Amino acid sequence: DAKTTQPNSMESNEEEPVHLPCNHSTISGTDYIHWYRQLPSQGPEYVIHGLTSNVNNRMASLAIAEDRKSSTLILHRATLRDAAVYYCILRDRGESGGGADGLTFGKGTHLIIQP
Amino acid sequence: GAVVSQHPSRVICKSGTSVKIECRSLDFQATTMFWYRQFPKQSLMLMATSNEGSKATYEQGVEKDKFLINHASLTLSTLTVTSAHPEDSSFYICSARRQGARNTEAFFGQGTRLTVV
Repeated sequence: DAKTTQPNSMESNEEEPVHLPCNHSTISGTDYIHWYRQLPSQGPEYVIHGLTSNVNNRMASLAIAEDRKSSTLILHRATLRDAAVYYCILRDRGESGGGADGLTFGKGTHLIIQP
Repeated sequence: GAVVSQHPSRVICKSGTSVKIECRSLDFQATTMFWYRQFPKQSLMLMATSNEGSKATYEQGVEKDKFLINHASLTLSTLTVTSAHPEDSSFYICSARRQGARNTEAFFGQGTRLTVV
């Protein structure tokens, strides 16, 4: 899997938007951009994923740069429960076996939410 | 949404004993499940890929005789840490994806905190 680069940590205030950046300059044309988060002492949780167009769901929005070399996860209104480590992961669209490969986690961004 | 359940969530065992961790997909079938390990303040590291009805595939550096994986059905995979030692103390997490699903979300268990004393 291609490598991603994220800031080690970010801090935000409760009820404010949060923009979490991810650089993936070596992304290939068949790579999807996935985001997961891990709350303390829990397994990771899926947040969102996309290929080229911006994506929205109930948890977050994903803004993908036109050249796809970077993306930003947007939490529109952070709460204390959003404090977690956020992982940006690239997944090859052409993977075989319908999910035969495990995920490669980087260090992620530790998001701190101040009340 | 889909749920992956892990049991136990926490276990303490004596050095030299074996511990079994179960991972179940509750509302979907999973031909493939994955086992990860996470040491304190570190990221998740893939240990092995568990394949239903066949042998698991282990990542480089993971001892297959120490970490026994059994995937006897489409909804259950087990990881047995044999002859556990304090250095095996870690957070073990399983994951599964819907059978036949391409590039969709992975579902993770809540993790098992293993402490070997």
